[in-house]
Amino acid sequence: EPEVTQTPSHQVTQMGQEVILRCVPISNHLYFYWYRQILGQKVEFLVSFYNNEISEKSEIFDDQFSVERPDGSNFTLKIRSTKLEDSAMYFCASSLGSSNQPQHFGDGTRLSIL
Amino acid sequence: EDQVTQSPEALRLQEGESSSLNCSYTVSGLRGLFWYRQDPGKGPEFLFTLYSAGEEKEKERLKATLTKKESFLHITAPKPEDSATYLCAVPGGGGSNYKLTFGKGTLLTVNP
Repeated sequence: EPEVTQTPSHQVTQMGQEVILRCVPISNHLYFYWYRQILGQKVEFLVSFYNNEISEKSEIFDDQFSVERPDGSNFTLKIRSTKLEDSAMYFCASSLGSSNQPQHFGDGTRLSIL
Repeated sequence: EDQVTQSPEALRLQEGESSSLNCSYTVSGLRGLFWYRQDPGKGPEFLFTLYSAGEEKEKERLKATLTKKESFLHITAPKPEDSATYLCAVPGGGGSNYKLTFGKGTLLTVNP
């Protein structure tokens, strides 16, 4: 069964450094998403991406965040200057269609900011 | 503001002891409701989509139902491998076409 894959599974970074989280969505999906989950809290929406542009972003997704689909298979989330509060699990998801289609998630990248 | 509330927060069952998890939601223009299973250190795994009140979906020991205000995930004769956090989520809401709004989940533990 096709799945969303994310790398790395765990990333440890010094505060202020840049990180890039990588995702390979399911191949025939058209919509791509990033979510995060701070330990013990809800899964929170960050951004959605369709047709090579951001379709929606949350208030969390400020100027330090960016997303890119550099080729036909990868989807990346860049955090430009990390803060302690960026420590969380980051999940990539993809779906065939928009709101009424299920989103399929990867197993996440655990980001630890020191 | 769209909200998704799940109860109970945690549930311990003995193997074979059936029960139900609740997800109540307030969202304008519901376009469906999703149930996910999340194992520790893993991403949410899609289980069901429900689109309209009265709809039911089943998978092995799980059955999901939907009313106009809430959804239930019924677990019949659970096994230890059913232990996980069960999340519900609603798509869209507030004019969004894309995001999922998740509840905090119910942590289910099934003891042998």
